[in-house]
Amino acid sequence: GEDVEQSLFLSVREGDSSVINCTYTDSSSTYLYWYKQEPGAGLQLLTYIFSNMDMKQDQRLTVLLNKKDKHLSLRIADTQTGDSAIYFCAERSSGGYQKVTFGIGTKLQVIP
Amino acid sequence: DSGVTQTPKHLITATGQRVTLRCSPRSGDLSVYWYQQSLDQGLQFLIQYYNGEERAKGNILERFSAQQFPDLHSELNLSSLELGDSALYFCASSARRGQGGNEQFFGPGTRLTVL
Repeated sequence: GEDVEQSLFLSVREGDSSVINCTYTDSSSTYLYWYKQEPGAGLQLLTYIFSNMDMKQDQRLTVLLNKKDKHLSLRIADTQTGDSAIYFCAERSSGGYQKVTFGIGTKLQVIP
Repeated sequence: DSGVTQTPKHLITATGQRVTLRCSPRSGDLSVYWYQQSLDQGLQFLIQYYNGEERAKGNILERFSAQQFPDLHSELNLSSLELGDSALYFCASSARRGQGGNEQFFGPGTRLTVL
């Protein structure tokens, strides 16, 4: 079945760039997502990329997709303390009901 | 505010009991998803409903069940509760298939504590 893996924890200094990585197994993925969960809140979509794209940039966020290696990354430039949260990678399959599978989440800690 | 509401926000109960969690999706969304988030298991997909019908099942225990009503709100029923069922339960909704990236909008969650 589909599987999405991400590291559990990342710590960066304020002002540095953060790179959160994710790998997935479903080669039929159509969309790949990054969700953000702030403390005490639900998940919120940050950005998504269609599987025929290599890169998507949105202000401080850059998403890179290597479809051959099934690797997705999220780069946050000039990381701020407000970026401290858990970041979830997710992929949507093309078959059936287009199931979305989430990773376990990477906790980003930004050190002032 | 995602537009998805969940009640109650917190629930404390004892082992062996039964609880019902409620979710109202965003206006117009037909799909409702239930997830369980715990520290050791991460975010686990439980079940999805689409326009009142069960669409997909994930890691949902037999002690758990759900339904989606004609007004599209959904309930997750958890019975014979165990300590390990303590977790955050999220509901999410999404628009019809084919609309954009099919983003899921998450509710604020219900924190269940089983003592």
